[in-house]
Amino acid sequence: EVQLVETGGGLVQPGKSLKLTCATSGFTFSTAWMHWVRQSPEKRLEWIARIKDKSNNYATDYVESVKGRFTISRDDSKSSVYLQMNSLKEEDTATYYCTTAFAYWGQGTLVTVSS
Amino acid sequence: DIQMTQSPSSLPASLGDRVTITCRASQDIGNYLRWFQQKPGKSPRLMIYGATNLAAGVPSRFSGSRSGSDYSLTINSLESEDMAIYYCLQHNEYPWTFGGGTKLELK
Repeated sequence: EVQLVETGGGLVQPGKSLKLTCATSGFTFSTAWMHWVRQSPEKRLEWIARIKDKSNNYATDYVESVKGRFTISRDDSKSSVYLQMNSLKEEDTATYYCTTAFAYWGQGTLVTVSS
Repeated sequence: DIQMTQSPSSLPASLGDRVTITCRASQDIGNYLRWFQQKPGKSPRLMIYGATNLAAGVPSRFSGSRSGSDYSLTINSLESEDMAIYYCLQHNEYPWTFGGGTKLELK
């Protein structure tokens, strides 16, 4: 059974950092391209980052609104993907999902940026 | 960025109805279009991929179609379990972009 479990969300002040983890199982993680998607409180979905596999040099892409602040990474030995979020803004408040192929999703982790 | 204009934003319907939701792409995306269903408190569920292909386990009353830059999700004979928010996603070009969502609810 494919499982993706996000952790690391919480309440954080503007300007601070947070690191999300997505632990996976049930599929060949090392060859999977992994994505982070977030959903605002208004229910708008936004794709934010993707990391390819080793054969594609772990290439990354980001939406403009998080470039330079967020970093996606992976550890194939742990079947996990990460999202390092720096310089957080109130508009980053959302539920963050990891997904592979957009066919399998985690349950999401809520990030609230507020003073 | 490619804009996905989804309509309607809200769709009241009755059980047994046939309903259609549409996404219009601002640029050519070929058939790189997926549809998702999301129920309250749940993660999105893939329903349609490649604009017209039914994902595994999705009931046959769901279908996807394309006419030029317009992509449609049709549900035949609506059932109560279909009440949800539906989103389209273009994955032809980064950044991948979602439509604004359509809330399907009982009339």
